[in-house]
Amino acid sequence: ILNVEQSPQSLHVQEGDSTNFTCSFPSSNFYALHWYRWETAKSPEALFVMTLNGDEKKKGRISATLNTKEGYSYLYIKGSQPEDSATYLCAFVKAAGNKLTFGGGTRVLVKP
Amino acid sequence: DTAVSQTPKYLVTQMGNDKSIKCEQNLGHDTMYWYKQDSKKFLKIMFSYNNKELIINETVPNRFSPKSPDKAHLNLHINSLELGDSAVYFCASSQDIGGDYSYEQYFGPGTRLTVT
Repeated sequence: ILNVEQSPQSLHVQEGDSTNFTCSFPSSNFYALHWYRWETAKSPEALFVMTLNGDEKKKGRISATLNTKEGYSYLYIKGSQPEDSATYLCAFVKAAGNKLTFGGGTRVLVKP
Repeated sequence: DTAVSQTPKYLVTQMGNDKSIKCEQNLGHDTMYWYKQDSKKFLKIMFSYNNKELIINETVPNRFSPKSPDKAHLNLHINSLELGDSAVYFCASSQDIGGDYSYEQYFGPGTRLTVT
């Protein structure tokens, strides 16, 4: 069983503040890491797929970094807005042909 | 136009019944998936099909049988429904070929199944 952990489980952010949270995964084998944004009553929406150590991806105010050697990825939200409120999921792929293993998510609530 | 659609959105049925959930994607993707959101809200893969061929079959009861009539459709049939089958089921698709999993997945809106 692969251990993919996200921390914290939830966080409250004041509008305008920046925040970040972590996805940890086994560092022994790595193929890909996915990040998804999941708003309440909607379906998960892809943010990034990262495949190389040191990868940095950016989409608007959201960015992510990847460290495969130590087994973690950070997701950053700059200048949080209420519409950023969602659960952010990471999903780890150990090897080509292996399934995605999802973490439990970090639930972000941005307060106006 | 909805990229990945599922029907029905809600399904309430009694124990012992057989039911199907349909999924269609209009993205031209080769790979489709079924996920179950468990009681702890984790998403867990059940099946993965690439171009109508089964490539992942997780440890799910054989009461669950996926069927892919063509690469744009992946349906999930469940026999002899049990209380524990109550969950939200998500269909997804991606550009991945042969189980690469380096492409983003596009999810359907989910089907909330309640077994009474």
